[in-house]
Amino acid sequence: EDQVTQSPEALRLQEGESSSLNCSYTVSGLRGLFWYRQDPGKGPEFLFTLYSAGEEKEKERLKATLTKKESFLHITAPKPEDSATYLCAVQLYGQNFVFGPGTRLSVLP
Amino acid sequence: EPEVTQTPSHQVTQMGQEVILRCVPISNHLYFYWYRQILGQKVEFLVSFYNNEISEKSEIFDDQFSVERPDGSNFTLKIRSTKLEDSAMYFCASLSGWAGNEQFFGPGTRLTVL
Repeated sequence: EDQVTQSPEALRLQEGESSSLNCSYTVSGLRGLFWYRQDPGKGPEFLFTLYSAGEEKEKERLKATLTKKESFLHITAPKPEDSATYLCAVQLYGQNFVFGPGTRLSVLP
Repeated sequence: EPEVTQTPSHQVTQMGQEVILRCVPISNHLYFYWYRQILGQKVEFLVSFYNNEISEKSEIFDDQFSVERPDGSNFTLKIRSTKLEDSAMYFCASLSGWAGNEQFFGPGTRLTVL
C-alpha cells in the first residue's frame, strides 16, 4: 500500500530557531514529491517539487531535500508568519497524489 | 495572478440530498482534480480528470460521486445522496500539464451534512 508519513506531528519553535520536518514514503512508483503549506481553512499552497534523490530546492527560509525514501523541509531562522501546516505529497505514476498527514508548525515570537 | 476559484465556500445540506460543488480551474490548465479533507485529517485524492474524462479515481470515489466539465471553464463534483461522513472540505485543483507538475488548489468548499 502506498503510504506517506510525516514527523513530527506538531512542532513549536522560537523565532529564529531552525529545524527540519521529515516526510517518509513507501510507494510503488514515484513521479515527484511535493511540499505544500496549508493555512487554517484554506487550500494547500505549492512550495516545491523534487524529482530525484539528491535534488534540493530553496525558497526564502525554506529548503527541501530528497533521498530515495524520504524528504526533509529545513526551516532556517523561522518567523511567526511561517506558522502553518506543512504537507508532503507524492505523485504516483499516473495522476494520483498521496498526501501525508502534515506537520503543524508554530513559530513563537 | 491566475487562481482556482470554488463555489460555494460553505454548503449545508440534509442527509440524502444531492449537492454540486463548483470549481473554475486556471485557464489553459489541462488536468483537474478533486480532493477532500475531513476535519483534522489528511488531504485525500478523489479523482483526476483530463481530456474530458476521468483519468484516475480513488476507492473513495464510488458511484455516488460524479464529475463533469459542462463547459470550457467549470469543473463540478456531484454527490448524489449525501451521507453524514461526506462532511469535509472539498478542494479543487488544476495543473497545467505543460509547465511543471505543480497543482494549484482552490480555497475549498466546506460541506456540512446534517
